[in-house]
Amino acid sequence: KQEVTQIPAALSVPEGENLVLNCSFTDSAIYNLQWFRQDPGKGLTSLLLIQSSQREQTSGRLNASLDKSSGRSTLYIAASQPGDSATYLCAVKLGGSQGNLIFGKGTKLSVKP
Amino acid sequence: SQTIHQWPATLVQPVGSPLSLECTVEGTSNPNLYWYRQAAGRGLQLLFYSVGIGQISSEVPQNLSASRPQDRQFILSSKKLLLSDSGFYLCAWSEGPYEQYFGPGTRLTVT
Repeated sequence: KQEVTQIPAALSVPEGENLVLNCSFTDSAIYNLQWFRQDPGKGLTSLLLIQSSQREQTSGRLNASLDKSSGRSTLYIAASQPGDSATYLCAVKLGGSQGNLIFGKGTKLSVKP
Repeated sequence: SQTIHQWPATLVQPVGSPLSLECTVEGTSNPNLYWYRQAAGRGLQLLFYSVGIGQISSEVPQNLSASRPQDRQFILSSKKLLLSDSGFYLCAWSEGPYEQYFGPGTRLTVT
């Protein structure tokens, strides 16, 4: 059974700091991995999607990496800003499945001005 | 561009009452559609997904059901709500097995 773990559960950093959020999964047979952002009481915003054949994806100040063999992904946020404060969720799609995204419980990020 | 709508945004219902949550997608055809639930202190859980009209797959046995009466409409229902049905319900869509895009969610409180 695929399990997704995100560590730490919460993180507080000063503005301007570079930071890394971690995601690990137990079964390396994934189709893709997606990082989302969720603001309080809101839906999920897709940040980056990495296909199983890719090693990393970049969007602006965000960079996500994937190491399938070790079951790990990281989300790197450069020069953090107070507006980056949110919960960040990692989810893996099982190989060959039309539906199932397995989510971690998220990392709640607070960036202090 | 594609947009996804959910309503209502918030709902307070007594135990034993029926439920109907609606999700619609614009700007795409034959999307895959999904219902997720996010309960306090727990991760997002996939409840149902659909790859076409009338085609519903259930991931978790529960008090809920889903229907897809039109290509871009997905409905989550219950005949009798339980306290444990409280949570944040999110609808999502994708083109095939690719990137999923989420709606704004419905906050359901069962009292």
